[in-house]
Amino acid sequence: QKEVEQDPGPLSVPEGAIVSLNCTYSNSAFQYFMWYRQYSRKGPELLMYTYSSGNKEDGRFTAQVDKSSKYISLFIRDSQPSDSATYLCAMSETGNTPLVFGKGTRLSVIA
Amino acid sequence: NAGVTQTPKFQVLKTGQSMTLQCAQDMNHNSMYWYRQDPGMGLRLIYYSASEGTTDKGEVPNGYNVSRLNKREFSLRLESAAPSQTSVYFCASRPSPGQGNTGELFFGEGSRLTVL
Repeated sequence: QKEVEQDPGPLSVPEGAIVSLNCTYSNSAFQYFMWYRQYSRKGPELLMYTYSSGNKEDGRFTAQVDKSSKYISLFIRDSQPSDSATYLCAMSETGNTPLVFGKGTRLSVIA
Repeated sequence: NAGVTQTPKFQVLKTGQSMTLQCAQDMNHNSMYWYRQDPGMGLRLIYYSASEGTTDKGEVPNGYNVSRLNKREFSLRLESAAPSQTSVYFCASRPSPGQGNTGELFFGEGSRLTVL
């Protein structure tokens, strides 16, 4: 079993829909949880960051971490065509240890 | 503000040829990383350097070597390229934790390598 599992999709939704993206992991020592967004032919960019458990909200984006279930989620409200990208979850044990990435979920938001 | 700069952006090699991918960052970060990204495989760590003068293997180091030339530069070398090394390679840097840093990775734009 890979350390981080993420459904690769692709996921296609209409504009305005609520999108839910998820990752599961096996390493209970993970403490740093991130979501990156990657546009086609570009490098990944940090979208959301959460330390340990809990929720974090930034505009239309909400990140949730449930350490008891080893499950993290990213919600996108009122999705826009500009949200069309690949979303990668990433996590690490400390701020020094390398990030482990999920395979990424490809999202298309249709106008 | 350049951030992380990778060269070359595109390269085509024949099997057995060697080449070096260059990476430089101007953010004074201690840690630097090389990942490869393949369809359906996500980002996989090749090598990383936690600080100047140190390097460590990642998940997929075979067939690669690295050099942390100084704090700014971290190069990846393919000594004898194989078709299985056809991929998109990303360099990234990361500040030391603390002082409000999230441990975020800052990525370059990627280098697309094709080995025939």
